[in-house]
Amino acid sequence: EAQVTQNPRYLITVTGKKLTVTCSQNMNHEYMSWYRQDPGLGLRQIYYSMNVEVTDKGDVPEGYKVSRKEKRNFPLILESPSPNQTSLYFCASSSRNPLSSYNSPLHFGNGTRLTVT
Amino acid sequence: SQQGEEDPQALSIQEGENATMNCSYKTSINNLQWYRQNSGRGLVHLILIRSNEREKHSGRLRVTLDTSKKSSSLLITASRAADTASYFCATDAGDYKLSFGAGTTVTVRA
Repeated sequence: EAQVTQNPRYLITVTGKKLTVTCSQNMNHEYMSWYRQDPGLGLRQIYYSMNVEVTDKGDVPEGYKVSRKEKRNFPLILESPSPNQTSLYFCASSSRNPLSSYNSPLHFGNGTRLTVT
Repeated sequence: SQQGEEDPQALSIQEGENATMNCSYKTSINNLQWYRQNSGRGLVHLILIRSNEREKHSGRLRVTLDTSKKSSSLLITASRAADTASYFCATDAGDYKLSFGAGTTVTVRA
């Protein structure tokens, strides 16, 4: 089954304790992205990756890191989490061709609800 | 930055009625997409309309796009309880980002 898998689903941590949220897709997609969702703000893009070893900042990258060493994995790293990073996080992937004006829709994971105290 | 803005923020309708929600955006786009989200779960893609298309149908969904007004609408006909969800528009300006609005929460009453 084609899917994007995020882990963990729920995470409670304390300020300053480094954490990693994993994301894996089995559709051989080039493009992967991280979003955070906050009430009233919709989804805001944190980082995205066009392919292996190619990453770029989204709209709210501060406090986050990513890496793309393999095509299927795109982990989100919070080196020193703070309470304002409490949010619902989504990983997504798609098949995107930068030479084309048409880009395929995003496939989303089921989300990771992070609470930082 | 948030590109699409949905209107209304919330909508409550009776089962069997139609639900209409609108999306406005600010810059030129390659395509506009609508997604559904059930209760904090991942978003699911519903329909994509390209900038050179004006209307598109998929089952009980009808999407229109007016690029001169920079707006789109999503119509769900003959709504069912299972349509209760949040609906988001997302704009693709071809810059490797997909910008989402804050969503419309639809409640379908039995």
